[in-house]
Amino acid sequence: ETGVTQTPRHLVMGMTNKKSLKCEQHLGHNAMYWYKQSAKKPLELMFVYSLEERVENNSVPSRFSPECPNSSHLFLHLHTLQPEDSALYLCASSVQRWEVTQYFGPGTRLLVL
Amino acid sequence: QKEVEQDPGPLSVPEGAIVSLNCTYSNSAFQYFMWYRQYSRKGPELLMYTYSSGNKEDGRFTAQVDKSSKYISLFIRDSQPSDSATYLCAMSGGNQFYFGTGTSLTVIP
Repeated sequence: ETGVTQTPRHLVMGMTNKKSLKCEQHLGHNAMYWYKQSAKKPLELMFVYSLEERVENNSVPSRFSPECPNSSHLFLHLHTLQPEDSALYLCASSVQRWEVTQYFGPGTRLLVL
Repeated sequence: QKEVEQDPGPLSVPEGAIVSLNCTYSNSAFQYFMWYRQYSRKGPELLMYTYSSGNKEDGRFTAQVDKSSKYISLFIRDSQPSDSATYLCAMSGGNQFYFGTGTSLTVIP
């Protein structure tokens, strides 16, 4: 595997479910990011991790809970989501935090029913 | 006022045409200006970036930044069907990234 991978690629969940999104980067980078991409809206930065420490949390609802156990893996735990949370969730990484050159994964397409 | 404004298109051009994609922004503190390409069912891929004002060329792609007008452009020369994608502008400053909504481009053979 190369680059940034994300699993699952598609996810359908009910509002009472709990699920997790997984991201893995094989680039030896130190920073990882979660973004939300909704139709006709700009890409929104949700969380930034640098060396496994969360350095940014952009007023994201608590029903989204990130976890970064090591510099290669990033999770986004989901619980009691709302239909408006349906979107493409993208993971990205960069050598250091806030670097311009970020490498994105293919995303997880989430549908909340 | 949105931080970044980008015309969503869609934009459809014949193969070989010159394509112009544009964004405007409101925050004069932005220092880096990026263009990403996103194919269907894929994540964004960084095409090129510019620091501060000026032009940057990479093959068929040219990025321009006019900080006085808060306006950035991406030009694609000799457009190819493989250029069909959504193009996202992005800017950074103050430890934050701001993206446009993306412009959908189709190059017709």
